[in-house]
Amino acid sequence: AQTVTQSQPEMSVQEAETVTLSCTYDTSENNYYLFWYKQPPSRQMILVIRQEAYKQQNATENRFSVNFQKAAKSFSLKISDSQLGDTAMYFCAFRRTTDSWGKLQFGAGTQVVVTP
Amino acid sequence: NAGVTQTPKFQVLKTGQSMTLQCAQDMNHNSMYWYRQDPGMGLRLIYYSASEGTTDKGEVPNGYNVSRLNKREFSLRLESAAPSQTSVYFCATQTGGTEAFFGQGTRLTVV
Repeated sequence: AQTVTQSQPEMSVQEAETVTLSCTYDTSENNYYLFWYKQPPSRQMILVIRQEAYKQQNATENRFSVNFQKAAKSFSLKISDSQLGDTAMYFCAFRRTTDSWGKLQFGAGTQVVVTP
Repeated sequence: NAGVTQTPKFQVLKTGQSMTLQCAQDMNHNSMYWYRQDPGMGLRLIYYSASEGTTDKGEVPNGYNVSRLNKREFSLRLESAAPSQTSVYFCATQTGGTEAFFGQGTRLTVV
Protein backbone atom coordinates (compact mmCIF):
# COMPACT_ATOMS: atom_id res chain seq x y z
CA ALA A 1 0.00 0.00 0.00
CA GLN A 2 1.12 3.51 -0.68
CA THR A 3 1.15 6.28 1.88
CA VAL A 4 1.63 9.99 1.36
CA THR A 5 2.86 12.20 4.20
CA GLN A 6 2.69 15.95 4.43
CA SER A 7 4.33 16.92 7.70
CA GLN A 8 3.47 20.63 7.71
CA PRO A 9 -0.17 21.29 8.67
CA GLU A 10 0.16 25.04 8.07
CA MET A 11 2.67 27.48 6.65
CA SER A 12 2.64 31.24 6.49
CA VAL A 13 4.53 33.33 3.94
CA GLN A 14 4.65 37.01 3.03
CA GLU A 15 3.77 38.25 -0.40
CA ALA A 16 6.65 37.98 -2.90
CA GLU A 17 8.49 35.50 -0.70
CA THR A 18 9.13 31.81 -1.38
CA VAL A 19 7.64 28.87 0.49
CA THR A 20 8.42 25.17 0.17
CA LEU A 21 5.96 22.44 1.04
CA SER A 22 7.22 18.97 1.81
CA CYS A 23 5.76 15.65 0.75
CA THR A 24 7.13 12.16 1.21
CA TYR A 25 5.62 8.92 0.02
CA ASP A 26 6.14 5.26 0.46
CA THR A 27 5.89 2.83 -2.44
CA SER A 28 7.57 -0.23 -3.87
CA GLU A 29 6.59 0.80 -7.40
CA ASN A 30 9.15 2.09 -9.86
CA ASN A 31 6.78 3.99 -12.10
CA TYR A 32 4.12 6.33 -10.82
CA TYR A 33 2.73 9.84 -10.99
CA LEU A 34 2.89 12.54 -8.35
CA PHE A 35 0.65 15.57 -8.19
CA TRP A 36 0.16 18.76 -6.25
CA TYR A 37 -3.42 20.00 -6.01
CA LYS A 38 -4.52 23.38 -4.72
CA GLN A 39 -7.82 23.87 -2.89
CA PRO A 40 -8.72 27.55 -2.34
CA PRO A 41 -11.59 28.60 -0.06
CA SER A 42 -13.96 27.98 -2.99
CA ARG A 43 -13.32 24.28 -2.34
CA GLN A 44 -12.47 23.58 -5.97
CA MET A 45 -9.60 21.12 -6.49
CA ILE A 46 -7.11 22.56 -8.99
CA LEU A 47 -4.13 20.73 -10.41
CA VAL A 48 -0.95 22.72 -9.81
CA ILE A 49 1.73 20.43 -11.17
CA ARG A 50 2.35 16.84 -12.21
CA GLN A 51 5.51 14.74 -12.19
CA GLU A 52 6.09 11.37 -13.83
CA ALA A 53 8.54 9.24 -11.88
CA TYR A 54 10.48 8.10 -14.93
CA LYS A 55 11.35 11.71 -15.75
CA GLN A 56 14.40 12.98 -13.88
CA GLN A 57 13.75 16.59 -14.78
CA ASN A 58 11.75 18.48 -12.18
CA ALA A 59 8.41 19.81 -13.38
CA THR A 60 7.72 23.55 -13.35
CA GLU A 61 4.60 25.61 -13.99
CA ASN A 62 5.23 29.33 -13.86
CA ARG A 63 5.90 30.20 -10.19
CA PHE A 64 5.44 26.61 -9.07
CA SER A 65 8.24 24.05 -9.21
CA VAL A 66 8.98 20.72 -7.61
CA ASN A 67 12.05 19.05 -6.23
CA PHE A 68 11.58 15.37 -7.02
CA GLN A 69 14.01 13.07 -5.25
CA LYS A 70 13.05 9.55 -6.30
CA ALA A 71 15.55 7.67 -4.15
CA ALA A 72 14.48 9.62 -1.09
CA LYS A 73 10.80 9.37 -2.09
CA SER A 74 10.40 13.08 -1.66
CA PHE A 75 8.32 15.49 -3.73
CA SER A 76 8.41 19.06 -2.45
CA LEU A 77 6.58 22.04 -3.96
CA LYS A 78 8.17 25.48 -4.14
CA ILE A 79 5.97 28.52 -4.61
CA SER A 80 8.01 31.52 -5.69
CA ASP A 81 6.93 35.17 -5.57
CA SER A 82 3.93 34.23 -3.43
CA GLN A 83 0.67 36.03 -4.14
CA LEU A 84 -2.43 36.49 -1.99
CA GLY A 85 -4.31 34.21 -4.39
CA ASP A 86 -1.96 31.37 -3.46
CA THR A 87 -3.67 31.14 -0.06
CA ALA A 88 -5.14 27.64 -0.13
CA MET A 89 -4.84 24.09 1.08
CA TYR A 90 -2.27 22.14 -0.91
CA PHE A 91 -2.48 18.38 -1.31
CA CYS A 92 0.23 16.04 -2.50
CA ALA A 93 -1.11 12.95 -4.29
CA PHE A 94 0.29 9.69 -5.65
CA ARG A 95 -0.96 7.43 -8.41
CA ARG A 96 0.50 4.13 -9.59
CA THR A 97 0.97 3.85 -13.34
CA THR A 98 0.09 0.17 -13.10
CA ASP A 99 -3.29 1.18 -11.72
CA SER A 100 -5.20 1.91 -14.90
CA TRP A 101 -8.20 2.99 -12.88
CA GLY A 102 -6.28 6.02 -11.70
CA LYS A 103 -7.00 5.97 -7.98
CA LEU A 104 -5.24 8.78 -6.14
CA GLN A 105 -3.69 8.54 -2.67
CA PHE A 106 -3.67 11.93 -0.95
CA GLY A 107 -1.64 13.43 1.86
CA ALA A 108 -3.35 15.25 4.74
CA GLY A 109 -2.71 18.65 3.20
CA THR A 110 -0.79 21.83 4.07
CA GLN A 111 -2.65 25.09 4.60
CA VAL A 112 -0.69 27.96 3.05
CA VAL A 113 -1.50 31.49 4.18
CA VAL A 114 -0.01 34.37 2.20
CA THR A 115 0.07 37.64 4.14
CA PRO A 116 0.48 41.18 2.78
CA ASN B 1 -18.11 23.48 -20.72
CA ALA B 2 -19.37 22.15 -17.37
CA GLY B 3 -16.74 19.43 -16.71
CA VAL B 4 -17.84 17.62 -13.55
CA THR B 5 -21.09 18.70 -11.91
CA GLN B 6 -22.16 17.65 -8.44
CA THR B 7 -25.50 18.22 -6.77
CA PRO B 8 -26.35 19.36 -4.20
CA LYS B 9 -23.61 21.71 -3.00
CA PHE B 10 -24.81 21.70 0.60
CA GLN B 11 -27.04 19.33 2.56
CA VAL B 12 -28.08 18.84 6.17
CA LEU B 13 -29.49 15.47 7.14
CA LYS B 14 -30.85 14.01 10.33
CA THR B 15 -29.34 10.79 11.59
CA GLY B 16 -30.99 7.85 9.84
CA GLN B 17 -32.16 9.79 6.79
CA SER B 18 -31.10 8.75 3.33
CA MET B 19 -29.91 10.78 0.37
CA THR B 20 -28.19 10.47 -2.98
CA LEU B 21 -25.37 12.66 -4.21
CA GLN B 22 -25.41 13.08 -7.95
CA CYS B 23 -22.42 13.48 -10.26
CA ALA B 24 -22.37 14.01 -13.99
CA GLN B 25 -19.44 14.58 -16.36
CA ASP B 26 -19.34 15.76 -19.93
CA MET B 27 -15.67 14.92 -20.50
CA ASN B 28 -16.32 11.45 -21.96
CA HIS B 29 -14.01 9.90 -19.36
CA ASN B 30 -14.28 6.22 -18.48
CA SER B 31 -13.33 6.33 -14.80
CA MET B 32 -15.27 8.09 -12.06
CA TYR B 33 -14.63 8.34 -8.33
CA TRP B 34 -16.17 9.42 -5.05
CA TYR B 35 -13.86 10.83 -2.37
CA ARG B 36 -14.56 12.25 1.04
CA GLN B 37 -12.48 15.01 2.61
CA ASP B 38 -12.03 15.30 6.35
CA PRO B 39 -9.76 17.67 8.28
CA GLY B 40 -6.28 16.27 8.78
CA MET B 41 -6.96 13.27 6.55
CA GLY B 42 -6.87 14.60 3.02
CA LEU B 43 -9.18 12.97 0.50
CA ARG B 44 -10.02 9.30 0.84
CA LEU B 45 -11.55 7.12 -1.86
CA ILE B 46 -15.01 5.76 -1.10
CA TYR B 47 -15.91 3.99 -4.36
CA TYR B 48 -14.82 4.12 -7.95
CA SER B 49 -16.06 3.00 -11.33
CA ALA B 50 -13.41 2.05 -13.86
CA SER B 51 -15.93 2.01 -16.69
CA GLU B 52 -19.64 1.96 -17.33
CA GLY B 53 -21.20 -1.06 -15.66
CA THR B 54 -18.47 -1.64 -13.06
CA THR B 55 -17.99 -0.35 -9.52
CA ASP B 56 -15.46 -1.19 -6.81
CA LYS B 57 -14.83 -0.33 -3.20
CA GLY B 58 -12.18 2.14 -2.23
CA GLU B 59 -10.58 2.82 1.12
CA VAL B 60 -13.70 3.82 3.13
CA PRO B 61 -16.82 2.22 1.55
CA ASN B 62 -18.81 1.34 4.67
CA GLY B 63 -22.18 3.08 4.85
CA TYR B 64 -22.25 3.97 1.16
CA ASN B 65 -23.54 2.53 -2.10
CA VAL B 66 -22.94 3.70 -5.64
CA SER B 67 -24.52 3.39 -9.06
CA ARG B 68 -22.85 3.99 -12.40
CA LEU B 69 -26.00 4.87 -14.30
CA ASN B 70 -24.25 5.39 -17.63
CA LYS B 71 -20.94 6.74 -18.82
CA ARG B 72 -21.81 10.26 -17.69
CA GLU B 73 -23.36 9.68 -14.27
CA PHE B 74 -22.11 8.20 -11.02
CA SER B 75 -24.21 8.56 -7.87
CA LEU B 76 -23.38 8.00 -4.22
CA ARG B 77 -26.09 6.94 -1.78
CA LEU B 78 -26.21 7.10 1.98
CA GLU B 79 -28.93 4.70 3.10
CA SER B 80 -28.95 5.66 6.78
CA ALA B 81 -26.84 8.71 7.46
CA ALA B 82 -24.65 8.85 10.57
CA PRO B 83 -22.81 11.82 12.14
CA SER B 84 -19.52 10.13 11.14
CA GLN B 85 -20.51 10.75 7.52
CA THR B 86 -20.37 14.51 8.01
CA SER B 87 -17.78 15.48 5.43
CA VAL B 88 -17.13 17.16 2.12
CA TYR B 89 -17.71 14.81 -0.79
CA PHE B 90 -16.00 15.09 -4.16
CA CYS B 91 -16.76 13.38 -7.41
CA ALA B 92 -13.89 13.10 -9.87
CA THR B 93 -13.28 11.75 -13.32
CA GLN B 94 -10.19 10.69 -15.20
CA THR B 95 -9.00 8.92 -18.31
CA GLY B 96 -5.63 7.49 -19.25
CA GLY B 97 -2.62 9.10 -17.65
CA THR B 98 -4.12 12.51 -17.19
CA GLU B 99 -4.86 14.20 -13.95
CA ALA B 100 -8.21 13.83 -12.21
CA PHE B 101 -10.88 16.47 -12.66
CA PHE B 102 -13.03 17.25 -9.66
CA GLY B 103 -16.51 18.55 -9.07
CA GLN B 104 -17.09 21.48 -6.72
CA GLY B 105 -17.84 19.26 -3.75
CA THR B 106 -20.85 18.68 -1.51
CA ARG B 107 -20.71 19.76 2.12
CA LEU B 108 -22.84 17.27 4.05
CA THR B 109 -23.72 17.68 7.71
CA VAL B 110 -25.47 14.89 9.60
CA VAL B 111 -27.03 15.97 12.88
